Amino acid sequence: AAGVIQSPRHLIKEKRETATLKCYPIPRHDTVYWYQQGPGQDPQFLISFYEKMQSDKGSIPDRFSAQQFSDYHSELNMSSLELGDSALYFCASSPGQGYWNEQFFGPGTRLTVL
Amino acid sequence: SQQGEEDPQALSIQEGENATMNCSYKTSINNLQWYRQNSGRGLVHLILIRSNEREKHSGRLRVTLDTSKKSSSLLITASRAADTASYFCATDAGANSKLTFGKGITLSVRP
Repeated sequence: AAGVIQSPRHLIKEKRETATLKCYPIPRHDTVYWYQQGPGQDPQFLISFYEKMQSDKGSIPDRFSAQQFSDYHSELNMSSLELGDSALYFCASSPGQGYWNEQFFGPGTRLTVL
Repeated sequence: SQQGEEDPQALSIQEGENATMNCSYKTSINNLQWYRQNSGRGLVHLILIRSNEREKHSGRLRVTLDTSKKSSSLLITASRAADTASYFCATDAGANSKLTFGKGITLSVRP
């Protein structure tokens, strides 16, 4: 079965650089969520999209922005990177926003900021 | 504030034994989900239990939910070395279904 695809899997950037993370949800899933997991931490919700509109926002820095495109894939844009942005970034998708829906996670993008 | 908090933080058992992990949360929820993560890799969805359900089974997994105590437990029966991983509970408390994760439990299953 198709899973959530994230690219790149690993990314190394310098401080103050920009990064773009991509997420391709499971086919026919119209809802995408982004989470950030710092070293030894639990995943923290960043932002979500439903039918290409932002549906919720968590603890996402102003330096980050995201969008969902017409084909439902999503991109997380990160600017002015800081050392503290080093983390594992997960994308998850679900078929709608109902409370009965499971969220299926991608393998994550490991971002290292030097 | 932490929504889901797991207990214990670390658990070490022998292969074949049962492992029980507990999770507590603070607010009303729509559902609670358990995930497994192997050594900093992806999150694998294990099971979802809705707020109107009390118990759910999936293979060697048994999940209970007590909404009056705002707690859940995950039981893995007949554990295997391959069950070694971190386990997270995550709650869905809002209309937009974002998940709030707890700190995670590190389970080590000794062969």
